[in-house]
This record gives sequence, C-alpha cells and structure tokens, in this order.
Amino acid sequence: NAGVMQNPRHLVRRRGQEARLRCSPMKGHSHVYWYRQLPEEGLKFMVYLQKENIIDESGMPKERFSAEFPKEGPSILRIQQVVRGDSAAYFCASSPRASGRSTGELFFGEGSRLTVL
Amino acid sequence: AQSVTQLGSHVSVSEGALVLLRCNYSSSVPPYLFWYVQYPNQGLQLLLKYTSAATLVKGINGFEAEFKKSETSFHLTKPSAHMSDAAEYFCAVSHTGNQFYFGTGTSLTVIP
Repeated sequence: NAGVMQNPRHLVRRRGQEARLRCSPMKGHSHVYWYRQLPEEGLKFMVYLQKENIIDESGMPKERFSAEFPKEGPSILRIQQVVRGDSAAYFCASSPRASGRSTGELFFGEGSRLTVL
Repeated sequence: AQSVTQLGSHVSVSEGALVLLRCNYSSSVPPYLFWYVQYPNQGLQLLLKYTSAATLVKGINGFEAEFKKSETSFHLTKPSAHMSDAAEYFCAVSHTGNQFYFGTGTSLTVIP
C-alpha cells in the first residue's frame, strides 16, 4: 500500500535548464496538490489537479511553471529555464476526493529538492 | 479568505515539559483544521484534524488540539515532551477541501 511517491528526491540543475518533478498519488486518489517549501516560509500552495484537469492554479507563477495530471501516469510539475530562486523543496500531496465539507486530509510525499546552480 | 497564523517560529521545551504550539485561523465559515508534523528531509504527516465533531481532538503520539471558535484558535498541546517530538509542526485550514492553507510552521526543539 504505497504512499505518495515523488521523484527525483534530489535534482540539481543549472540556470536555464528544465526541471521535471513527478508525483504518483496514493492508490485510489484522484486529486493532486503541489506545494513549494522555502526555509522559514512554510508551504506555499501552487496548483491543484484532478485527472486531466487543472482545478486551481492560483499559486503557480505565471511564467515558466506548468503542471499536468494525465489520465495515465504521474502528475508532473515542470519548471522551464530555472533560476536560482526556484531552489526549494517541492511537495506533492494527494487526497481521495474534495467535495463540499466531506474532505479528508492530504497525504504527502517526501518531496523533491531542487537545487539550481 | 482563509489564513493561518502560527505564533512563534521556534519553540524550545525541556524533555517532560508541556508542549504548546499556537495556531490561529481566519475563516468566514467554520473550517476544517489540521496539524501536520514534518521530520527532517521528510514529507508532512497528519497529527490530527478537526472536522466539526468534538472540539477536543486527540491525535497520534499523545498530541491533542482544542478548537475554540470564540478565539479562532486551534492550539496543539502535549502534556510531556519527548526527544522524538523534535520536528517542524504546521497548522492548516481548509473549507471546501479544494484549498489547504498552511501556516509558516513552528520548529520544536526538545532539550534533554
């Protein structure tokens, strides 16, 4: 009964390169959230997706960042032309559903730590 | 709009002493409230959650939290700190389940 799986755990990129972070939600979960964590800043919401749909991307930077959650395969957070300020831990979380007030908690992966040189 | 404020980014307690981590929320309607713990280089794990049932919520590892609507608070407590409790603790609020808002975290140090 695997939990939320994220890979890679650590990623090093040079400025201008692309970073792709993957997230496989828990079995049976169809909702995926991406968060960014910077030291002393807590978790910042980036995007919320269901299969083949972006539900809320209000936390995503307007440029260079994109996310998808295809019908088959993991969710992917893509950062193009990375800059040093993108260095952070990126966490994925999943939940089985999110409807009305019948929500449960989020289940988190162990994060992907991006370092931009 | 919803938000969460955690007072005190760093808290130190002696082993065996009371742990009190503060969380205040702002929400236009009664929210769901959560406490998560994060150990170094790991993801967040749920400690406990409030979902409009009992106002005193018991979680794992001896932690509990009390929802106080009049104070818009959801403080986390544990009667006796253990060395293994040293970690980062996050309070979170959600209303619809589509959005979860996290506080900036409180780092707990336990002094032997």
